[in-house]
Amino acid sequence: LAKTTQPISMDSYEGQEVNITCSHNNIATNDYITWYQQFPSQGPRFIIQGYKTKVTNEVASLFIPADRKSSTLSLPRVSLSDTAVYYCLVGEGGSQGNLIFGKGTKLSVKP
Amino acid sequence: GAVVSQHPSWVICKSGTSVKIECRSLDFQATTMFWYRQFPKQSLMLMATSNEGSKATYEQGVEKDKFLINHASLTLSTLTVTSAHPEDSSFYICSAIASLSSNQPQHFGDGTRLSIL
Repeated sequence: LAKTTQPISMDSYEGQEVNITCSHNNIATNDYITWYQQFPSQGPRFIIQGYKTKVTNEVASLFIPADRKSSTLSLPRVSLSDTAVYYCLVGEGGSQGNLIFGKGTKLSVKP
Repeated sequence: GAVVSQHPSWVICKSGTSVKIECRSLDFQATTMFWYRQFPKQSLMLMATSNEGSKATYEQGVEKDKFLINHASLTLSTLTVTSAHPEDSSFYICSAIASLSSNQPQHFGDGTRLSIL
C-alpha cells in the first residue's frame, strides 16, 4: 500500500506558479498517481493523473521522475479561487491504495 | 463527463432518525461506488466499498448495521444512517468509478452535510 506524504500547507500569491510535491516511496509498478482538489463543503475534484514523465492538461501539469518515488503538481499562475486542499493518491484504479486519502496540502493564495 | 450527483446536499434531523443519502452516476455506469466520511479539518476516511448487486465491503471500525449500503443498479448507491446520533454528524461523500482498470480515477459527488440534533 503506497503511502503518500505532502506538505501540510503552502502559501502563494496570485499569478505565481505553485508546485506541490508528493512523496510515495513505496509506489508499485501498476500504480498511477492521481491528484484531487477539494474546496470546503464540496467533494474532491479530479485534477490530473499520470504514470511517468510529464502530463499536462488545461489546468495543471504533473511531473513524475524516472524512479516514480515522488510527483509534483504544478499549477500555473494561481488565482484566489485555487485556494483549496490538494490530495495526492497512489494506486491502481479502484484498488485500496487509491482510496486512502492522506492529510493533503492546504494551499492558500493571497492577493 | 463523469458526473456524480449526491442527494440531499444537507440534512438536519433529530436524534434517532434514519437518514438516506443517494449517490448517482449521471453519465456513466459505475461498477463500484465508495462512501467516505469527513470530519471538520480532517481528510476523507473510507467507510465502505459498494459493488452493484453484491454486499458492501466495510472498513474496519465501520458498523455495517449502522451504515446500510445498497447498490441496486450501476448508477445508484444509497447510504442509510440508521438511528442517527449527534456523533454521526459529519460530511458524507460518495465516489464512483467506471471500471477497476488501472487508470480510472474516482469521480466524487458534492457531499452531504448531516447534522443530528
